[in-house]
This record gives sequence, structure tokens and C-alpha cells, in this order.
Amino acid sequence: IAGITQAPTSQILAAGRRMTLRCTQDMRHNAMYWYRQDLGLGLRLIHYSNTAGTTGKGEVPDGYSVSRANTDDFPLTLASAVPSQTSVYFCATAVGGLNTGELFFGEGSRLTVL
Amino acid sequence: GQNIDQPTEMTATEGAIVQINCTYQTSGFNGLFWYQQHAGEAPTFLSYNVLDGLEEKGRFSSFLSRSKGYSYLLLKELQMKDSASYLCAVVDSNYQLIWGAGTKLIIKP
Repeated sequence: IAGITQAPTSQILAAGRRMTLRCTQDMRHNAMYWYRQDLGLGLRLIHYSNTAGTTGKGEVPDGYSVSRANTDDFPLTLASAVPSQTSVYFCATAVGGLNTGELFFGEGSRLTVL
Repeated sequence: GQNIDQPTEMTATEGAIVQINCTYQTSGFNGLFWYQQHAGEAPTFLSYNVLDGLEEKGRFSSFLSRSKGYSYLLLKELQMKDSASYLCAVVDSNYQLIWGAGTKLIIKP
């Protein structure tokens, strides 16, 4: 089934540990995004990539890094997790950048940092 | 600063009509999205407005007034499955997507 796969779906992590959230798409979309969603707040953009080989910082990039080695994969790494990074993380894709097209979201990764 | 305002929560009755408002103050405007998000699930696209007026798509309609910085999502013939959060998002002049916190819609029988 075509779509976006995120892994893991849920994880509890000790503070200070390194963690990579994986995102893979098979829709051949150029643009990919990582958002975090916290109660009472709108979705906040962490990092984005308009095309393979390029990445950019979003609204809340500190403590996170990404890479885009190919079209399909866009992993998000927390180098040293902190409790404030407890959140639900959504990977999303779009046909192109500029945010004028529909976003397609993965099912989310729920991360708890203790 | 940039701001998207939506009511936090609304309640409506099955079979009725509900209007969810969204007002925005952003640096420029390049379109407005509505997404639906069921609890514990991912957001899914509902509509995109870039010109003023009403766009109808089945039971759902979305309205935009750029001069007033205002949009609404109209849901008709409400069904229990419409219980969800509805997210408003605006594309600003730099093509950044600014998200509202969402409106939780509760449908009662």
C-alpha cells in the first residue's frame, strides 16, 4: 500500500539517549517535513526538505537533525533527548515545496523522554 | 507575530450543521488549508482556499475572506464520525505554513 511509514510508532526513551525516528515514503514526493504536535499548540515544523540532497530548518529545529540522502527516506535524529522533546512526531510529504499543495501525513511516532 | 485563532472546542448534534471559524493575522497570504484529525491519528486534507468565496465538497464547505482574514469550515448533516479536531493552516508570504491549534468537535447523538 502506497504511503508514508513511520517507525517506531511509540517509544519511551531515557533523557540523554540518542534516538532516530524513521520516515519512508513510496509516493515519490519531492518535499518532506517533520512536525511535532503538542497539546494546545498547532503543528510546529522541525525540519524540511524540498528535494533529495537538501534540508532546511523549521520553526523548532534545536536538538534535532535530519538528512535526505534519497527521495524516499527522511530520518529525524535527536542527538541527546530531553524531556521537552516528549511529543507526537509526524512526518509529512508533498508533491512539491512552497506549501501550496496537500500534505500527506504518516501515522505519527509518539515519543516520551523520561 | 503571526497568529491563527480557532475555538478550542465545539459541540454539535448529529444531523445538524456546524460552522468552525478561523481568523488569521499573517505576513501575507498564499492560501488556507483545513485538515481533519481524528484522535490518535494523522491529519488528513479537507480543503484549500486561495480565492475569496465558498467551495463545496460534499457535506463539507470552506469559505474564505482575505480582506477580513477569516475562513470557516461548514459541516452539514453531521455524523458521529465527524467527531475530530479540525486544523486551520495559512500559507504566508514566505510560503511558510502557519498552523492553528485546532478545534475539537464533539458530536452528540
